[in-house]
Amino acid sequence: KAGVTQTPRYLIKTRGQQVTLSCSPISGHRSVSWYQQTPGQGLQFLFEYFSETQRNKGNFPGRFSGRQFSNSRSEMNVSTLELGDSALYLCASSLGLAGGGETQYFGPGTRLLVL
Amino acid sequence: KNEVEQSPQNLTAQEGEFITINCSYSVGVSALHWLQQHPGGGIVSLFMLSSGKKKHGRLIATINIQEKHSSLHITASHPRDSAVYICAVPGTGNQFYFGTGTSLTVIP
Repeated sequence: KAGVTQTPRYLIKTRGQQVTLSCSPISGHRSVSWYQQTPGQGLQFLFEYFSETQRNKGNFPGRFSGRQFSNSRSEMNVSTLELGDSALYLCASSLGLAGGGETQYFGPGTRLLVL
Repeated sequence: KNEVEQSPQNLTAQEGEFITINCSYSVGVSALHWLQQHPGGGIVSLFMLSSGKKKHGRLIATINIQEKHSSLHITASHPRDSAVYICAVPGTGNQFYFGTGTSLTVIP
């Protein structure tokens, strides 16, 4: 069974631009969660989608948004990029809701650099 | 105050040593997760546990729900165990809280 895939793997943008990242979960998994990882803040939860609905959201500004499609693939979008958005963005998939005790399977991440 | 505290932050061990990483949390949990992140970013879920102890090869994870504390042990450590180990707990609203991670280096 193929693992979680994320595209692109690396991305360079400038301040003010917007970016869209994609995550394809493991086949059959209905939950996709997104995380931001920075050296200063560590791993932080962005949001979780399950059956095309956002179920949980972390403490991030509205510039961070996402969606999930009927095939469970998910995208996250960051608008008006700031330097502080430079980070590794990870997605993880699970059969059920992540907080319900399900094991999450992580993708390799997208490394975003904002100049 | 962070919801999840890990110690130590950095750990260097000689090959073969027994290693312990600790995690304390303040949020209520249904299950605690231990994650391993290798250089390059890939994260692997090692354990999910809600009580007692779990063992997988040389890795052992324990949790004490009453004391809100979990430990990850590595027996007979090996250089390939070098990685960052992160504990994570689901809090209110099912969002995840993460420890800051323990960076482990095992020297041959």
